[in-house]
Order: sequence, then C-alpha cells, then structure tokens
Amino acid sequence: DTAVSQTPKYLVTQMGNDKSIKCEQNLGHDTMYWYKQDSKKFLKIMFSYNNKELIINETVPNRFSPKSPDKAHLNLHINSLELGDSAVYFCASSQGAHSNQPQHFGDGTRLSIL
Amino acid sequence: AQSVAQPEDQVNVAEGNPLTVKCTYSVSGNPYLFWYVQYPNRGLQFLLKYITGDNLVKGSYGFEAEFNKSQTSFHLKKPSALVSDSALYFCAVRDLPGAGGASKIIFGSGTRLSIRP
Repeated sequence: DTAVSQTPKYLVTQMGNDKSIKCEQNLGHDTMYWYKQDSKKFLKIMFSYNNKELIINETVPNRFSPKSPDKAHLNLHINSLELGDSAVYFCASSQGAHSNQPQHFGDGTRLSIL
Repeated sequence: AQSVAQPEDQVNVAEGNPLTVKCTYSVSGNPYLFWYVQYPNRGLQFLLKYITGDNLVKGSYGFEAEFNKSQTSFHLKKPSALVSDSALYFCAVRDLPGAGGASKIIFGSGTRLSIRP
C-alpha cells in the first residue's frame, strides 16, 4: 500500500525532448508538492497544489508545467529538456496548505538527460 | 523568511555510542520544526516534529530532538546508534504563509550520518 507513488522511477532521455512524471497519493491529503533534489542532495520546492489549485510556484523555468487533475494526483510535464534538469524529482503530500502536519514523500524519479 | 542550517556535512559515530545531528534555525514567530531521514534511493521519511509544548520531542526509531529557543537549535539525538541509522538527515522549518495563505517547508542542506560497527 504505497502512500505516495511516482512513475517512472527512472527516466533517461535526450536533450530537447519532452517528458512527464506522474504522482498519486492515497492518503486523502489535500495538498501536493513537487521538489527537485540536485546532485549535492539540496532539496528545493518547485510547486504546490491545494485542492487542485496552484498555491506555490517557485522560480522555475516555464518549461516545467504542473497539472493536478484531482486532489490525489499531481503530474509534472517538462518541455525541451536541458542538461541542468538532471536531478531526482520528488512528489510529496500533506494535509493543509499551512499546517504542522508532516509531508509524505514518494521515492523519487531519477531524471538523466543525455 | 525562515531559514534552517545544518553545520555538519557528515557525522561519524561508533555503533552503541550516542549521536547528535545539529540544526539551527532562524524564524519570525513560533517555529514548526521537523526532522526527516532519507535512505539511499528512497524519499524522505518523517521522524519527528516540534510544534509547541515539551522541548524534548520523541520520534520514530528511537530518535528524539531537543528544542532550545534561546539557542535557536533543534538538534537530533539518539542514545545508542545503530549501523542501520546510517542515512542522510534533513532538518526543516515551516515558512511563514504567503499572501495566499500557503507556506512551504524549507529544508536544511542535510547531514550524512555514518555509523561504524
């Protein structure tokens, strides 16, 4: 019973391609997130949705477009992939847009750009 | 904006010895503080949090953390380390809400804990 699941786990593709990562949570949470973890393990938030509404949009190139079809799903589409996009992308969920509840993370999607 | 710092990139401890992983924070108002652990090729897992109340917070896997308001610290501790505790540990603070009422969690840079047998 995986709480937050991401697909695919690995993604290897060439520069210039377009790719999508999918995320689903079965915890009943109303808030979902996308994070980027770089090679030095720094973790930075990219986007957050609450009840399908975009509430956090950090300084991310507009090649990255999130989409939340419902509260349990948050997808990330990336256009024109660049070498610098190589990283691990984590999806997370929590209850409440500003609460003391912890976030639950998926196991990440490892994106490698050739 | 809130911020959190983990001054040690790596902490090495012998199995059975006590361990401490340091975290300091800078906040406006009362902080929401968290510790997470990340094992290789896995996502972050929640260990414990401080919201209010007792300064000593107990969490998963025998870990605890001490909130010290005067020193603005929230160090992670365990009385007796296990080899299986070897992992990457992140301290985090909940940022203040923005104009829309949402807030984000700001993570420290992480500390790699290595427990030798």
